[in-house]
Amino acid sequence: EVQLVESGGGLVKPGGSLRLSCAASGFTFSSYSMNWVRQAPGKGLEWVSSISSSSSYIYYADSVKGRFTISRDNAKNSLYLQMNSLRAEDTAVYYCASFHDILTGFDYWGQGTLVTVSS
Amino acid sequence: SYVLTQPPSVSVAPGKTARITCGGNNIGSKSVHWYQQKPGQAPVLVVYDDSDRPSGIPERFSGSNSGNTATLTISRVEAGDEADYYCQVWDSSSDLNWVFGGGTKLTVL
Repeated sequence: EVQLVESGGGLVKPGGSLRLSCAASGFTFSSYSMNWVRQAPGKGLEWVSSISSSSSYIYYADSVKGRFTISRDNAKNSLYLQMNSLRAEDTAVYYCASFHDILTGFDYWGQGTLVTVSS
Repeated sequence: SYVLTQPPSVSVAPGKTARITCGGNNIGSKSVHWYQQKPGQAPVLVVYDDSDRPSGIPERFSGSNSGNTATLTISRVEAGDEADYYCQVWDSSSDLNWVFGGGTKLTVL
């Protein structure tokens, strides 16, 4: 069974940092590209970042470019998101999601972890 | 940047057909994916590459894409289909990024 389990969310002050993790199991993690997608309370889905299977290609949404860093450790079947200089508008549930290529969509999703940025 | 436009809400009676549109400039040239999200749950992929269904998704869910509009069609709507639906594409025209539509709330009357 495919499982993606996010962790690391919590309450952080504006300007602070947080590192999210996503533990993968049940599929060949090293063969899949991975993403972070967030959803602010009561709002729609917003793509945050993508990383290819070998970390050769990395993309960011303009809203997080320069502040967030995506990375992965295929030996540990894990995906990460380092979030720095956090703002109130970064408050959201953060989901990790896998995809094989741009024709297949995001086929597996975790249950999400809540990040709240507030003083 | 590329923009996907969805109607905020669609209502349909049980047993009828629901159509949810996703508008974008020449979206017919892109591969469109659709997600269903129920309250408090993670999104679920229901249609990928315009019209293909992942395993386990009922045949009642179908998709099409042409010109400036992609459409998710749900036939014989059931109460359990009530959810938010999002379209998605990969935009390589300017910045390389994934784009989601704003979402459509499907209400089953």
